[in-house]
Amino acid sequence: GESVGLHLPTLSVQEGDNSIINCAYSNSASDYFIWYKQESGKGPQFIIDIRSNMDKRQGQRVTVLLNKTVKHLSLQIAATQPGDSAVYFCAENPLGGSNYKLTFGKGTLLTVNP
Amino acid sequence: NAGVTQTPKFQVLKTGQSMTLQCAQDMNHEYMSWYRQDPGMGLRLIHYSVGAGITDQGEVPNGYNVSRSTTEDFPLRLLSAAPSQTSVYFCASSYNGEFGGYTFGSGTRLTVV
Repeated sequence: GESVGLHLPTLSVQEGDNSIINCAYSNSASDYFIWYKQESGKGPQFIIDIRSNMDKRQGQRVTVLLNKTVKHLSLQIAATQPGDSAVYFCAENPLGGSNYKLTFGKGTLLTVNP
Repeated sequence: NAGVTQTPKFQVLKTGQSMTLQCAQDMNHEYMSWYRQDPGMGLRLIHYSVGAGITDQGEVPNGYNVSRSTTEDFPLRLLSAAPSQTSVYFCASSYNGEFGGYTFGSGTRLTVV
């Protein structure tokens, strides 16, 4: 079956540094990708998304990069803050798939040290 | 505007018991979904609804029932609880079904013993 996975289950960074969270996907037919942030005891929160016809998309302090050649997705957080500490999930939607059938990765725990 | 409200926050069930996890949203969203999240794993879709009276199965529907009699409410029923259903359950809603627009509740942590 298809899967979405993460290279690093944990990431620890210093406050003010940039963070990079990686995600590998195996379904070459996926056309839509999302990053979610989940703080302890809360539900996932949308961060940023990107479609397969794009290589890069920027938001506020966050950038998502998509490399379709190697089926790799990354989330970059600039000037990481303690409030960024959370689990980050990537998710994909296969081309032509239902809007509800996202495949989620296992998550990366980001810890920001003051 | 409370967003997506899930009750209860915590629940312990004995194997074989049944119960209903409640989900309500006050944003007039048409799209609602239920997910489960197991340790070290991402979310998996259980059931979803695109409007009152319309539901469909997700990735892991076995052992769960849903109904959508109103736009606001989307309860999830466990018919006969099993230890494999120990998980954290999240309800989400969206105005137009676009992923970025989904609002998640804070979850129900269920333990089946």
